[in-house]
Amino acid sequence: EAEVAQSPRYKITEKSQAVAFWCDPISGHATLYWYRQILGQGPELLVQFQDESVVDDSQLPKDRFSAERLKGVDSTLKIQPAELGDSAMYLCASSSPQGQTSGSSYNEQFFGPGTRLTVL
Amino acid sequence: GQNIDQPTEMTATEGAIVQINCTYQTSGFNGLFWYQQHAGEAPTFLSYNVLDGLEEKGRFSSFLSRSKGYSYLLLKELQMKDSASYLCAALDSNYQLIWGAGTKLIIKP
Repeated sequence: EAEVAQSPRYKITEKSQAVAFWCDPISGHATLYWYRQILGQGPELLVQFQDESVVDDSQLPKDRFSAERLKGVDSTLKIQPAELGDSAMYLCASSSPQGQTSGSSYNEQFFGPGTRLTVL
Repeated sequence: GQNIDQPTEMTATEGAIVQINCTYQTSGFNGLFWYQQHAGEAPTFLSYNVLDGLEEKGRFSSFLSRSKGYSYLLLKELQMKDSASYLCAALDSNYQLIWGAGTKLIIKP
């Protein structure tokens, strides 16, 4: 069964250090999302890609966060420098436009296992 | 503004039925999703409603009323493994998902 892959699963870092997360979406999924989820809250969209282009990064703190999807397949999310408030689960999801993936609901997002970031 | 409201926490008994409510206010509407999320894991898709009415999938059913901006998730024959958070999310006019904070469901034996 096709899955969204993420690595690492867990990351502990000290504040002011740089961290990077990787995501490989389900093959053929053109849309890729990065979310941040703080414990007890719903996911917060950080950035959305359509192929290699950014569709929405309005909630991405651009002074310290960056995201890229150079070849329109896998993606990297970077934080530099990390702050204590960045401790959260970072989720990657992918979806396929309606009608292009049999058996899926419109715009259903498939999530990877997430990266749990702890900033000390 | 855009907003999703759902209860923070609910408790139910194994074998019983529970209904988790969700109200939404969005700029446009293109459907409503329910996701299940076990502690420390990623959300997994449960249901999608875009038309009014009830959609049934085994022990889980989801209902939508577009005129009322209201949905519920109904879980029957509760099992201990159903203990999880249930996230309601509405798709707005830009096809962006607006997420609720989730309802933590606690199942007691």
